[in-house]
Amino acid sequence: QKEVEQDPGPLSVPEGAIVSLNCTYSNSAFQYFMWYRQYSRKGPELLMYTYSSGNKEDGRFTAQVDKSSKYISLFIRDSQPSDSATYLCAIAGGTSYGKLTFGQGTILTVHP
Amino acid sequence: DTGVSQDPRHKITKRGQNVTFRCDPISEHNRLYWYRQTLGQGPEFLTYFQNEAQLEKSRLLSDRFSAERPKGSFSTLEIQRTEQGDSAMYLCASSLKRGGVQGTPDTQYFGPGTRLTVL
Repeated sequence: QKEVEQDPGPLSVPEGAIVSLNCTYSNSAFQYFMWYRQYSRKGPELLMYTYSSGNKEDGRFTAQVDKSSKYISLFIRDSQPSDSATYLCAIAGGTSYGKLTFGQGTILTVHP
Repeated sequence: DTGVSQDPRHKITKRGQNVTFRCDPISEHNRLYWYRQTLGQGPEFLTYFQNEAQLEKSRLLSDRFSAERPKGSFSTLEIQRTEQGDSAMYLCASSLKRGGVQGTPDTQYFGPGTRLTVL
């Protein structure tokens, strides 16, 4: 079993839709949760960073963590074509705070 | 552009050859990380340095792989006797670990990656 599971999609939505992206993880020792966005042929860029259960909002993006279910989500409101990218969840903690463990990534396309 | 640079951006080599990649982190960052990403997968951790000390290595990092950060600034990743399975994007990231803040991960800033193709 992978430490982090993420549905690879692909996910295709119309412009303006609300997008929901999800990951599950297996090790309750993980305490820190991140979402990265990766455009084609680029390195990942950090979108959201949270370490507690609950919601964290930043503009059109909301990160949600449920530690009891080991489930993390990213919601994108009013999605735009420029949001088309691969979204990667990443977790840290346990025995290593340097290493990030990534999910497989979900490919999102927002069409006009 | 995050400020992390990698060179070369693309490398094509024949099986059995040695290759070396370079990463220049954001100048004040004391931590440097290497990840490998294959098509359709998320990045996989390989190793990381704090200054010149290599603090952690993944089991993925076989004895054909070696990484150095000799002066605590740039880093090199060498792959000896390349195999077709080594074809991947090699990503470098850097972060600033502040003293006294233990047990929390830093924000890692990624470079554009080096795409390796082994024929």
